[in-house]
Amino acid sequence: AIQMTQSPSSLSASVGDRVTITCRASQDIRNDLGWYQQKPGKAPKLVIYAASNLQSGVPSRFSGSGSGTDFTLTISSLQPEDFATYYCLQDYIYPWTFGQGTKVEIK
Amino acid sequence: EVKLVESGGGLVQPGRSLRLSCAASGFNFAAYGMHWVRQAPGRGLEWVSGISRTSGSKGYADSVRGRFTVSRDNAKNSLFLQMNSLRPEDTALYFCAKIGGEGVTGMDVWGQGTTVTVSS
Repeated sequence: AIQMTQSPSSLSASVGDRVTITCRASQDIRNDLGWYQQKPGKAPKLVIYAASNLQSGVPSRFSGSGSGTDFTLTISSLQPEDFATYYCLQDYIYPWTFGQGTKVEIK
Repeated sequence: EVKLVESGGGLVQPGRSLRLSCAASGFNFAAYGMHWVRQAPGRGLEWVSGISRTSGSKGYADSVRGRFTVSRDNAKNSLFLQMNSLRPEDTALYFCAKIGGEGVTGMDVWGQGTTVTVSS
């Protein structure tokens, strides 16, 4: 199975900060990668699909980039509602695999 | 309103079976791939299984292959997960989710989950 290595596992940031989360695949997955946001006690929410496409309704401060094995999720100006855990997911080939998650906490 | 509602979770002894259901409404269920994702208490997300629109393609996580079976009934707008030979490590909140479709390759709608506890 493809392994997804996400970093950092957690970070502390302030409102207005620029935040970057990375995800590395153990093999080429083209651009078949999504980013999901999860808040405590809630179901995950799709933020980015196909590496760089913003899901409908998601604020434009979120962006994704990368292809092949290296991917990035960027939040350009962190807002209070963005504090959550973020996961990458490769949907290139079965079995799909998630990264271990990045918890974004308030500094 | 597009909605997914999971059911069938509960407390079960190791080695026993359980069947989860996911009822879909508000969209053309037959037109979308569907998936199961789980989350053990205090842990991250784990993709469990997926099934294509016509059931022609199915996939499983290594941790459940050979024990779990995914299926769907498009006439009843329902997704299922048959879980056999359950282990304590299968204890988790199980979500069903739909693929976005129309070029959206991610899972854009999720249920609230059903809890499975495997314990003697």
